[in-house]
Amino acid sequence: DIVMTQTPLSLSVTPGQPASISCKSSQSLLHSDGKTYLYWYLQKPGQSPQLLIYGVSNRLSGVPDRFSGSGSGTDFTLKISRVEAEDVGVYYCMQSLQLPLFTFGPGTKVDIK
Amino acid sequence: QITLKETGPTLVNPTQTLTLTCTFSGFSLSTSEVGVGWIRQPPGKALEWLALIYGNDNKRYSPSLKSRLTITKDTSKNQVVLTMTNMDPVDTATYFCAHRRTAAGATGAFDIWGQGTMVTVSS
Repeated sequence: DIVMTQTPLSLSVTPGQPASISCKSSQSLLHSDGKTYLYWYLQKPGQSPQLLIYGVSNRLSGVPDRFSGSGSGTDFTLKISRVEAEDVGVYYCMQSLQLPLFTFGPGTKVDIK
Repeated sequence: QITLKETGPTLVNPTQTLTLTCTFSGFSLSTSEVGVGWIRQPPGKALEWLALIYGNDNKRYSPSLKSRLTITKDTSKNQVVLTMTNMDPVDTATYFCAHRRTAAGATGAFDIWGQGTMVTVSS
């Protein structure tokens, strides 16, 4: 089974400053079809998770461009160029390449200093 | 506009069977490219995927819970039902259902989620 890890597990950021979250998978998420099945979600306090990034680096329509995803193979990063108060919550990476079909990382809690 | 809503009991006794219903709108669960999944989240913990059903009735289960889970759909009612047998206090969690589309150009992710329903397992 693919195991997803995230670092750090907690992050306190000053508004306007950048933030970066790392996600690593125990196996490559590159499929033979050329796609990489890695996603990023944000779960704001008291809310359901919302999809931010799919396919490593594609922002969902409506997601601010201060969010960006990058990486390949087993190492991935979510960056927020300038953190805003509304960005607080728990960020999860998720893979959908191998069984279990969908595996989430442990989450990274982001709050504002 | 796609929406999903989970309904079911808020409290179940240990060893009982849990039945949750996801009622959705804004899409049809009738093709192999559209699916509805279930994901749960124990209080203060991470997300865990449970099961997924596609419009062609193809089903997938988490290997660790497969023996306890059954997922079905009622296309005429726009509903997906998840049953989980032999409930235990460790199954206490918020249970979410979510939409997934795998067609060309789609995200392939669980892109729209319900609000979730909290289930407590206790005697």
